[in-house]
Amino acid sequence: AQTVTQSQPEMSVQEAETVTLSCTYDTSESDYYLFWYKQPPSRQMILVIRQEAYKQQNATENRFSVNFQKAAKSFSLKISDSQLGDAAMYFCAYRYIIQGAQKLVFGQGTRLTINP
Amino acid sequence: DTGVSQDPRHKITKRGQNVTFRCDPISEHNRLYWYRQTLGQGPEFLTYFQNEAQLEKSRLLSDRFSAERPKGSFSTLEIQRTEQGDSAMYLCASSLFSEQYFGPGTRLTVT
Repeated sequence: AQTVTQSQPEMSVQEAETVTLSCTYDTSESDYYLFWYKQPPSRQMILVIRQEAYKQQNATENRFSVNFQKAAKSFSLKISDSQLGDAAMYFCAYRYIIQGAQKLVFGQGTRLTINP
Repeated sequence: DTGVSQDPRHKITKRGQNVTFRCDPISEHNRLYWYRQTLGQGPEFLTYFQNEAQLEKSRLLSDRFSAERPKGSFSTLEIQRTEQGDSAMYLCASSLFSEQYFGPGTRLTVT
């Protein structure tokens, strides 16, 4: 069964510093997608970044980048130059397809606090 | 692009009552998903529609739950005979390709 594990329930970082959120997953598939979503307090889930498993190059989106280690089944998110608006729950998610349905499996989340 | 919308945003109901939630996906998205999120946890998959066809249902979706997507546009999720354990945030998402876009959710409280 596909599982996603985020081992850091909470993280904090000083404004303008860099923080890395960890995620590991378990799968027997070779082709899949991985995502990081951000969920601010009382607000909706926002897609931060995605990574296709067949791509060796790590995805980047402005201040957000990932370190994708396929063999280790690791998918960490690095946030550079942290801003107060980055404070949120961050969820790592794995997408697989079963019987034509695209399913997302989420980790437990990491609550990120930004200290001014 | 107005994004995924859900109605109502909050619902308080007494145990045993029926509730219905609505989701309007992004207009060109043919895939629609329902998830349930309890406090402090990540969302859990409930069900999936491609156009009007319901292709997958989670074991989490007991026979008290039913979802529809008539005409492949908006979707409804109904919970019959609500129980306190049904209290959660119910999220809807839609997609055209690989990325799912989420709505703001409906927070259900069963008293």
